[in-house]
Amino acid sequence: GNSVTQMEGPVTLSEEAFLTINCTYTATGYPSLFWYVQYPGEGLQLLLKATKADDKGSNKGFEATYRKETTSFHLEKGSVQVSDSAVYFCALSSSGGSNYKLTFGKGTLLTVNP
Amino acid sequence: SQTIHQWPATLVQPVGSPLSLECTVEGTSNPNLYWYRQAAGRGLQLLFYSVGIGQISSEVPQNLSASRPQDRQFILSSKKLLLSDSGFYLCAWRAVVPGPMVQYFGAGTRLSVL
Repeated sequence: GNSVTQMEGPVTLSEEAFLTINCTYTATGYPSLFWYVQYPGEGLQLLLKATKADDKGSNKGFEATYRKETTSFHLEKGSVQVSDSAVYFCALSSSGGSNYKLTFGKGTLLTVNP
Repeated sequence: SQTIHQWPATLVQPVGSPLSLECTVEGTSNPNLYWYRQAAGRGLQLLFYSVGIGQISSEVPQNLSASRPQDRQFILSSKKLLLSDSGFYLCAWRAVVPGPMVQYFGAGTRLSVL
């Protein structure tokens, strides 16, 4: 079946530091890949997505590249801000079979200190 | 534009009491609808999803049930709450269109069972 593995958190950084959150996946076919962000006490928001190999999703300074050869979709940001403190979820949707559902990773808590 | 509403935002209930959480979507027709639970410090667990009125798929056996009485209304219920039902409940929707399966989330309901 499908699965998503994210790096264990929590991750604590100083403002303006470089961020990487690793995400690898297992899926049949050609899945679409997503990063969602959850700010404290809120629901999830779509941060970025990629639908095919070598696609780069980007939003709000965050980037992730769909790497089929390494089955990875790592999230990066060059300079984090305190307002980026949140939980980040990597997710995939399979291209076939039960394609109604997203498979989520367990989430990575990011704390950015001033 | 499409919006999703969940209520209540916070709920404290005694063990053994009934539960009803409601979710409505505006601005779209025939969406796929989802209920997730997020226990403290853990990832997202898909509880139910629905592809149409009266059509409910359950992902895990448990103390909860779901119903979809109208196209854009999704209700999560329980006859008798357990302590283990505490958590953050999220409703989500997805437009049934070609392309990547983006889900959009409500703000969530924090349920405490005491």
